[in-house]
Amino acid sequence: NAGVTQTPKFQVLKTGQSMTLQCAQDMNHNSMYWYRQDPGMGLRLIYYSASEGTTDKGEVPNGYNVSRLNKREFSLRLESAAPSQTSVYFCASSLMGQANTGELFFGEGSRLTVL
Amino acid sequence: KQEVTQIPAALSVPEGENLVLNCSFTDSAIYNLQWFRQDPGKGLTSLLLIQSSQREQTSGRLNASLDKSSGRSTLYIAASQPGDSATYLCAVSGSGGGADGLTFGKGTHLIIQP
Repeated sequence: NAGVTQTPKFQVLKTGQSMTLQCAQDMNHNSMYWYRQDPGMGLRLIYYSASEGTTDKGEVPNGYNVSRLNKREFSLRLESAAPSQTSVYFCASSLMGQANTGELFFGEGSRLTVL
Repeated sequence: KQEVTQIPAALSVPEGENLVLNCSFTDSAIYNLQWFRQDPGKGLTSLLLIQSSQREQTSGRLNASLDKSSGRSTLYIAASQPGDSATYLCAVSGSGGGADGLTFGKGTHLIIQP
């Protein structure tokens, strides 16, 4: 019952460093998402992938890139980290693409601090 | 642009009380509405999902209602328990079915006093 798995759970970076957050789901879901959660701002969508092979920008895409490696995996990359990217990042997935409810399932989150 | 508002931002009640959390959204063209629970330092757990054609959904002590035309949803928690303490988030999907993600409210931080 793994569901949505994110790695790493915690990471500290220096300004300008790069890193990739990994996400994998084992529910055969079509759609995957990356959100960030900040105090007072709620959850905001960074990027999403409605199906394998496609990616689209969400509300706050600047400073990020994504790759939908295959149906299971959706990674988020910070090319040059900035303190403003200090946040908790959540990956989510949804079945979509078929007759279904569209329910979203979330990972446990990745806490990123940029110094 | 869809905006989701949750009232109150925080709520503290004694154990055993029934309570209602409110969620409003500005664009009624939604596919579904989900209520989530988030415990400190944890991810989001889906509690209830209401399709746009439905009026309510129930799971145990939880009941969620949806009035799409007025842009409102409520989450009713019966006989509250200390274990219900958490942040409750409401989120709506666009009319396209949600493949482009959900729009979240900022949540209601609920504390149930033993």
